[in-house]
Amino acid sequence: KNQVEQSPQSLIILEGKNCTLQCNYTVSPFSNLRWYKQDTGRGPVSLTIMTFSENTKSNGRYTATLDADTKQSSLHITASQLSDSASYICVVSGWGYIPTFGRGTSLIVHP
Amino acid sequence: DADVTQTPRNRITKTGKRIMLECSQTKGHDRMYWYRQDPGLGLRLIYYSFDVKDINKGEISDGYSVSRQAQAKFSLSLESAIPNQTALYFCATSDGGGAETQYFGPGTRLLVL
Repeated sequence: KNQVEQSPQSLIILEGKNCTLQCNYTVSPFSNLRWYKQDTGRGPVSLTIMTFSENTKSNGRYTATLDADTKQSSLHITASQLSDSASYICVVSGWGYIPTFGRGTSLIVHP
Repeated sequence: DADVTQTPRNRITKTGKRIMLECSQTKGHDRMYWYRQDPGLGLRLIYYSFDVKDINKGEISDGYSVSRQAQAKFSLSLESAIPNQTALYFCATSDGGGAETQYFGPGTRLLVL
């Protein structure tokens, strides 16, 4: 069964600090991996998309990495801001489309 | 105006009632999806449609039906609502391709009593 596991489940950091969120998956064959940010009460918004041949992609202070051999991805947030407080969701798609969503990591940034 | 809109945003209904959730998009995308999100769980795909004449079951389609009335509209129906269908429902669209981005609506919060 295709699965996407995210860790940690929740994380609290101080404003200005860096953090890294993890995503492990068993989806095979692999097509692409996406990271979304979901603010409370809103729909998810795409941060990055990576295909098999890409091992890093940045979007401002967000940097995603992908190791297709170990089936692991990480999302690194640099110099966190209060507005980074949200749930971060890892989504992996195989061929044939239907995506598998992780349960998300809830990030709280304190001033 | 938002690219993907959902109506209603909140709904309370009783067990056994029929309810329809509507989704409209102005992005011109062919692909549309319905997901539900439960606390502590990931989003789960209910149905998806790749064009007006295409309807596909997702992971958890039992108890739901959909209608793709036009490229821009995709509605989700609960024929006879039950309490375990209480959840947050999201509509999404994408433009297709191998690594397409999905654009999500604001969600509909449904409570079935």
